[in-house]
Amino acid sequence: KAGVTQTPRYLIKTRGQQVTLSCSPISGHRSVSWYQQTPGQGLQFLFEYFSETQRNKGNFPGRFSGRQFSNSRSEMNVSTLELGDSALYLCASRWDRGGEQFFGPGTRLTVL
Amino acid sequence: DAKTTQPPSMDCAEGRAANLPCNHSTISGNEYVYWYRQIHSQGPQYIIHGLKNNETNEMASLIITEDRKSSTLILPHATLRDTAVYYCIVRDANTGNQFYFGTGTSLTVIP
Repeated sequence: KAGVTQTPRYLIKTRGQQVTLSCSPISGHRSVSWYQQTPGQGLQFLFEYFSETQRNKGNFPGRFSGRQFSNSRSEMNVSTLELGDSALYLCASRWDRGGEQFFGPGTRLTVL
Repeated sequence: DAKTTQPPSMDCAEGRAANLPCNHSTISGNEYVYWYRQIHSQGPQYIIHGLKNNETNEMASLIITEDRKSSTLILPHATLRDTAVYYCIVRDANTGNQFYFGTGTSLTVIP
């Protein structure tokens, strides 16, 4: 069974731009969560989508948004990029509430 | 917020058992203990989880104390590829609460 895939793997943007990251979960998994990882803050939860609905949300500004499609694929969008948004963005999928999450390789975003 | 306490770093000789401790003194009855690890700049990898009984899989063993206030992840024969940051997480699997990652333990396996 294929793992979680994320595209693109690397991205360079400038301040003020917006970016869209994509995540394809493991087949059959209906929950997709997004995390931001920075050296200073560690791994922080952004939000979770289940059946196209946002189920949980972390403490991030409204510039960070996401959505999930009927095939469970998910996208996250960051608008008006700031230098501090430079991070590794990780996507994780699981079948439902219980059980372990499986992570993708991440998208490395650099904001210049 | 993370509900676990782990030592920031540990060393282990290659071929020896690596024992990674985790304190979770405020764990509630419905919360499971999960372990993940993250090799540099890769996505975290699931290792094992348990509720109250000890668990073993092909990667590791998880020993949970009887009062469930602490646990130990055991890598029986550490290799250089086990060098990573190990995260201990407690989570209520029934409510679907999120995985809150703390700072973890940076394990270095020494040749």
